[in-house]
Amino acid sequence: GAVVSQHPSWVICKSGTSVKIECRSLDFQATTMFWYRQFPKQSLMLMATSNEGSKATYEQGVEKDKFLINHASLTLSTLTVTSAHPEDSSFYICSAVDMGNYGYTFGSGTRLTVV
Amino acid sequence: QQQVKQSPQSLIVQKGGISIINCAYENTAFDYFPWYQQFPGKGPALLIAIRPDVSEKKEGRFTISFNKSAKQFSLHIMDSQPGDSATYFCAASRGYGQNFVFGPGTRLSVLP
Repeated sequence: GAVVSQHPSWVICKSGTSVKIECRSLDFQATTMFWYRQFPKQSLMLMATSNEGSKATYEQGVEKDKFLINHASLTLSTLTVTSAHPEDSSFYICSAVDMGNYGYTFGSGTRLTVV
Repeated sequence: QQQVKQSPQSLIVQKGGISIINCAYENTAFDYFPWYQQFPGKGPALLIAIRPDVSEKKEGRFTISFNKSAKQFSLHIMDSQPGDSATYFCAASRGYGQNFVFGPGTRLSVLP
């Protein structure tokens, strides 16, 4: 089945630094990937839609300059949290759309802790 | 319009029992309704999904019932097992390639 690899699975960074999270579709091409954020004991909230070769579309309230998304190829999207602060600590999850099989596959998530 | 409501917030079931989780939506443009299972620290995993042209879909112990007129759908887990203890999210999307709107989740605990 379709596999989405998300890396790293967890990261701890200092306040003010930047962190990059990678989302790769391993066995299919994904023109569209989604980035979600999940706070403890809460649901997944869409942050942005990432389309290969074009600018990401951000949801209302999500700072595009803080959460930089790059979807440079059909198999890779990255989310960079710039100048991270403790309130950015969360579980970040990507999902990729398999255009060939009408499938959505989620990555395993990245636990970001900003100290 | 974009919201998906889900209940109950938490559910405790004895092993072998039936777990039932309900969801409701408002946006009639939604045409794909999946259920996801999530274990702590992991990404969501697709359990089963349904489209509005079908009223019921069964896969193993998992069944989705869909009521288009009421804009409601539910997940039934038959013969619930301790290994089913997880958080379950219903979701909806407006079409292929569109993002999901997730319900708030239901924490299921299956007692041995």
